[in-house]
Amino acid sequence: QKEVEQDPGPLSVPEGAIVSLNCTYSNSAFQYFMWYRQYSRKGPELLMYTYSSGNKEDGRFTAQVDKSSKYISLFIRDSQPSDSATYLCAMSVGLGNTGKLIFGQGTTLQVKP
Amino acid sequence: EPEVTQTPSHQVTQMGQEVILRCVPISNHLYFYWYRQILGQKVEFLVSFYNNEISEKSEIFDDQFSVERPDGSNFTLKIRSTKLEDSAMYFCASSEENSYEQYFGPGTRLTVT
Repeated sequence: QKEVEQDPGPLSVPEGAIVSLNCTYSNSAFQYFMWYRQYSRKGPELLMYTYSSGNKEDGRFTAQVDKSSKYISLFIRDSQPSDSATYLCAMSVGLGNTGKLIFGQGTTLQVKP
Repeated sequence: EPEVTQTPSHQVTQMGQEVILRCVPISNHLYFYWYRQILGQKVEFLVSFYNNEISEKSEIFDDQFSVERPDGSNFTLKIRSTKLEDSAMYFCASSEENSYEQYFGPGTRLTVT
């Protein structure tokens, strides 16, 4: 079983739709969860950062972590064409760790005007 | 807004040659990382660096790779004898002390011919 799994898509939605992006993981030691956005041939851009379980909201973005199910989600409300990108989930083990991030494959999102 | 910068943006080299990829992390950050992304694949951790020494390295980071912080601002990745399979995007990242939020540079595309 892969350590972090993410459906590569592509996912195509109309402008204004609510988008749900998800990752599952197998390592119960993960405590820090991030979502990055990556445009073609660019570096990953940090969108959201969550520690342990729960929800975190930032504008149109909501990150959700369910550690009991080993499942994390990113919701995008009122999606815009500019949200079209690849979304990467990334995770890190907690205290004492060197900060190594384990990434998912990335989900390619296209928001159509 | 402070950002991680990387040079060059694209490097073409012949198999067996040495390359040095350069990064300038965000100025108050203390943790530094290199990741790579082979075209169409996941972002993979290579190495983390703190307090002038390697904190952790992956199995990819063999004796052909080395990292250095030659001065107060630069962080470099050296590949001694490049192989075809080293062709990838190489990303530098940095984070503050006691933070798991890593900020990535735009990447260097390395092409080995």
